[in-house]
Amino acid sequence: QMQLVQSGAEVKKTGSSVKVSCKASGYTFTYRHLHWVRQAPGQALEWMGWITPFNGNTNYAQNFQDRVTITRDRSMTTAYMELSSLRSEDTAMYYCATSTVLDAPFDYWGQGTLVTVSS
Amino acid sequence: EIVLIQSPDFQSVTPKEKVTITCRASQSIGNSLHWYQQKPDQSPKLLIQYASQSFSGVPSRFSGSGSGTDFTLTINSLEAEDAATYYCHQSSSLPMYTFGQGTKLEIK
Repeated sequence: QMQLVQSGAEVKKTGSSVKVSCKASGYTFTYRHLHWVRQAPGQALEWMGWITPFNGNTNYAQNFQDRVTITRDRSMTTAYMELSSLRSEDTAMYYCATSTVLDAPFDYWGQGTLVTVSS
Repeated sequence: EIVLIQSPDFQSVTPKEKVTITCRASQSIGNSLHWYQQKPDQSPKLLIQYASQSFSGVPSRFSGSGSGTDFTLTINSLEAEDAATYYCHQSSSLPMYTFGQGTKLEIK
C-alpha cells in the first residue's frame, strides 16, 4: 500500500535551517508528484511547494520562495524539504503528500513532522 | 492567488443531523475542488475529489457538489466519529494551490 514516512520531530534555533525527509513506498516514486504542506498550531493548511521526482522540477509558494528548497533522491525514493532562516512563526507540523498529476488532489499524506523553532 | 472561503468556521451538531459546509472561490475553478477531513493529531485525509467524486473507502454519507465558484460538502446522518476539521483545496491555479481556512465540526 502507498505510504509516506517522514523523519522525526526537530527543535531548532532561530536563524538556523531544518531538513525534513519523506520516504515513499508502495508505488513508483517517479510516477507521482510530491508536495509539502505546513500547519501552524491551531491554523489552516498552507501549501509550500512541490517536486516532480522524475526530473526534479520544483515550484514554490510565494510566501516561501526565498527560504525553501525541495529535493529528492530517486535511489532512496525520498523527498526532502529544507527551510532556512527559521523564525518562531515557522513552528508548525510539516506534511508531505502525493498526487498523481499536478491538477489532482493530495490523496496520500505522511504522518507529519513537528518543527519547533525557539531562541 | 485564488482565495477559498469556507462557511461556517465552526458548527456544533448532534448525531444523525445533516451537515452542509460551503466553500467559495474568489474566481472560477471549474471542478478542481477537493475536500479533506482532519481529526485531532492526525494527517488530513481526502474525502471528495473534483467537487463530487468520493475517494476510495470514504463512507457514502459524505458527498460533494458544485462547480465554478461555489461548492458544498454534505454529511448525511452525522456520526460521532465525524468530529473533525474539514478543508477545501483548489488545484486549478497551477502551479499554485490554496486551502480554505477550515470548518471545525463539534458533535454535541
